[in-house]
Amino acid sequence: GNSVTQMEGPVTLSEEAFLTINCTYTATGYPSLFWYVQYPGEGLQLLLKATKADDKGSNKGFEATYRKETTSFHLEKGSVQVSDSAVYFCALSVDRGSTLGRLYFGRGTQLTVWP
Amino acid sequence: DAGVTQSPTHLIKTRGQHVTLRCSPISGHKSVSWYQQVLGQGPQFIFQYYEKEERGRGNFPDRFSARQFPNYSSELNVNALLLGDSALYLCASGGRANIQYFGAGTRLSVL
Repeated sequence: GNSVTQMEGPVTLSEEAFLTINCTYTATGYPSLFWYVQYPGEGLQLLLKATKADDKGSNKGFEATYRKETTSFHLEKGSVQVSDSAVYFCALSVDRGSTLGRLYFGRGTQLTVWP
Repeated sequence: DAGVTQSPTHLIKTRGQHVTLRCSPISGHKSVSWYQQVLGQGPQFIFQYYEKEERGRGNFPDRFSARQFPNYSSELNVNALLLGDSALYLCASGGRANIQYFGAGTRLSVL
């Protein structure tokens, strides 16, 4: 089946520290991979995506590389800020080439950044 | 441009009641999906509609139903509410490149 396993949280870091949130997946077929972010009291916002092996998605200093050989899509940021405090969700979709894109989500990782 | 809009933002119901949640997709999007997010968990897929037809259903009981209207807006209905239905209900509209855009959600509390 399709599933996503995320690093357990919460993660607490000091400002300017390096961030890694691990994500691995299992999928029937060739998935697209996503990271979504959820700020307190809000819905989900797409942070970045990758659609094929070795693609690197990036946005706002965050990066993740689609690793087919290790079925992973780890999220990284070189220097976190207080404003990055949020819950991060790894997700996959196996509906390629369409607008449908049912998503399978991990459990989420709570990140707190202290000044 | 308006994003995905959901109403109401918060709702309190008692066990056994019925609830209707509403969603308006981004203009031009024809696909709407519904997800349930229980506190501390990732969103779980409930339904997907495209061009007013159901295109997918998650592992939820028949108490959950939905429909999509000619203007592509959608309603999610839940009958005979249980305490366990308390959650954030998210609506997403589907654009190009296989991306889902989410609304802010409706927070449902069942007492």
